[in-house]
Amino acid sequence: GENVEQHPSTLSVQEGDSAVIKCTYSDSASNYFPWYKQELGKGPQLIIDIRSNVGEKKDQRIAVTLNKTAKHFSLHITETQPEDSAVYFCAASIGDKIIFGKGTRLHILP
Amino acid sequence: DTGVSQDPRHKITKRGQNVTFRCDPISEHNRLYWYRQTLGQGPEFLTYFQNEAQLEKSRLLSNRFSAERPKGSFSTLEIQRTEQGDSAMYLCASSLDGWQPQHFGDGTRLSIL
Repeated sequence: GENVEQHPSTLSVQEGDSAVIKCTYSDSASNYFPWYKQELGKGPQLIIDIRSNVGEKKDQRIAVTLNKTAKHFSLHITETQPEDSAVYFCAASIGDKIIFGKGTRLHILP
Repeated sequence: DTGVSQDPRHKITKRGQNVTFRCDPISEHNRLYWYRQTLGQGPEFLTYFQNEAQLEKSRLLSNRFSAERPKGSFSTLEIQRTEQGDSAMYLCASSLDGWQPQHFGDGTRLSIL
């Protein structure tokens, strides 16, 4: 069925280091892959997205890569800062809706 | 641009009661989505509207749930005869149209006593 797997579920990195979160999807027709950041008590906030016609997209310290053949996509955060601590969700389009992964709780250690 | 607004932010009710939530999307956004999120999980799709038309409903949406978007602007989600398992965060999102980024509100947290 429609599925998005996300790893790891928890990630701790030293401030200033890089963080990588990986996702896989099952529907080969998926063509839109957004990433959301959710802070406590808030709704998910879109931080970056990528469409299937490109393999990589970058926005300042955040980058996303997509491998359509392998059905993998990843979020890379460089030079992590305390305010990057949050839960991150990947998602993939299935028709007119998007299916979310279970999330990665990112801790930035001082 | 005031973003997606949801009301109330929190709702506590007794099992068996009916509840209604409201979502005001970003102005001029034609698409409006409802999701449910439980602790430790990602948002799960419930239903969506293109203007006033409800185009898809998830199998998660039992017949106790109903959603409307009567004038193609704000939307309401009603849950009748609430059950313990309905306790969750109910999120609303809107997008300009299909294939466009979805922007979320801060949700309504429902607690069933």
